Amino acid sequence: GQNIDQPTEMTATEGAIVQINCTYQTSGFNGLFWYQQHAGEAPTFLSYNVLDGLEEKGRFSSFLSRSKGYSYLLLKELQMKDSASYLCAVKDSNYQLIWGAGTKLIIKP
Amino acid sequence: DTAVSQTPKYLVTQMGNDKSIKCEQNLGHDTMYWYKQDSKKFLKIMFSYNNKELIINETVPNRFSPKSPDKAHLNLHINSLELGDSAVYFCASSQGDREAGELFFGEGSRLTVL
Repeated sequence: GQNIDQPTEMTATEGAIVQINCTYQTSGFNGLFWYQQHAGEAPTFLSYNVLDGLEEKGRFSSFLSRSKGYSYLLLKELQMKDSASYLCAVKDSNYQLIWGAGTKLIIKP
Repeated sequence: DTAVSQTPKYLVTQMGNDKSIKCEQNLGHDTMYWYKQDSKKFLKIMFSYNNKELIINETVPNRFSPKSPDKAHLNLHINSLELGDSAVYFCASSQGDREAGELFFGEGSRLTVL
């Protein structure tokens, strides 16, 4: 079967750095996405990786290793508004998006 | 202007009823989707649709049916509602399903079946 694994919950301190990991096992690979979802709101796009390496976008960076089936989302200079769920999703060989259950990130002052 | 809008945002109804959720996108995208997000927060694809093809997740009961009057709209109709249908339903759109383009989600419709 296909699955995406990510930690259920993480806690970090305002101003710090946090890394959210995602491992995947899918039938084929056509890109990996990270989305942010605040409680009671819709998911919003954060990043896309299809080649190995690091993609940086402001305070957020996303890394991909296709050989290891692994990605991480790195959030720097954490702010209280970063408290949200972070969803990892992979497009498989049929271009279907397979979603993880999300990691709830709690930021403490 | 809201890119993807869906109505209603909240829907409370009795078991056995039939209900519809409407979705419209003004992004000019050619692919639209319906997702179900249950209490465990998993996003499950229900349907994806472009002007050529409807792809149905085989696990979706046939009580659920998508209706697309045109490229900018994809409505969700649910017959004979059951308690387990209670969830948040998200509409989304993208420019193609095989490309790198991200999904744009509507605000969600929270369905409660009593």
